[in-house]
Amino acid sequence: AAGVIQSPRHLIKEKRETATLKCYPIPRHDTVYWYQQGPGQDPQFLISFYEKMQSDKGSIPDRFSAQQFSDYHSELNMSSLELGDSALYFCASSYRTSGGDTDTQYFGPGTRLTVL
Amino acid sequence: AQKVTQAQTEISVVEKEDVTLDCVYETRDTTYYLFWYKQPPSGELVFLIRRNSFDEQNEISGRYSWNFQKSTSSFNFTITASQVVDSAVYFCALLLYSNYQLIWGAGTKLIIKP
Repeated sequence: AAGVIQSPRHLIKEKRETATLKCYPIPRHDTVYWYQQGPGQDPQFLISFYEKMQSDKGSIPDRFSAQQFSDYHSELNMSSLELGDSALYFCASSYRTSGGDTDTQYFGPGTRLTVL
Repeated sequence: AQKVTQAQTEISVVEKEDVTLDCVYETRDTTYYLFWYKQPPSGELVFLIRRNSFDEQNEISGRYSWNFQKSTSSFNFTITASQVVDSAVYFCALLLYSNYQLIWGAGTKLIIKP
């Protein structure tokens, strides 16, 4: 079965640079979530999109932005990178039925971002 | 307040032992979902099980079993006859129907020694 695809898998950037992470959800899934996971921590919710519209916002810094495109893939744009942004970034997707019932969030393999 | 507590930070057992990972949750919502995810050393997050608040039936999948008790707000996970490949961090999570956001426990690091 198709899974969530994330690219790149690894990314090394310098401070103050920008980075773009991409996420391709499971086919037919209409909701995408972005999470940030620091070492030894649980995933922290950043932002989500339902049917290409921003759905919920978590602890996403103002330096970060995200969007979901017409083909449902999503991109997380990170600017003015700081050392503290080094983390594992997960994308997850799910399918919300027409009745508003949520489904399971399936996670991609993650992008490991290192800021030097 | 919504909260998930995994009191066991790290558990270490010898292969073939049974082990139970505890998860206690807090919510005032009447409709919610509970999940367990596995994060092996390679880093990916693997979905294991989902339970909704109206389904208290226990579930068994191979060596894995889950015990959901609303009376104690617990959703414990047992691995029978553990194997080295079970070594991972296991997260329990709560998802509220009202906002679709996962509330995570801190995770339990499970070490299975050969």
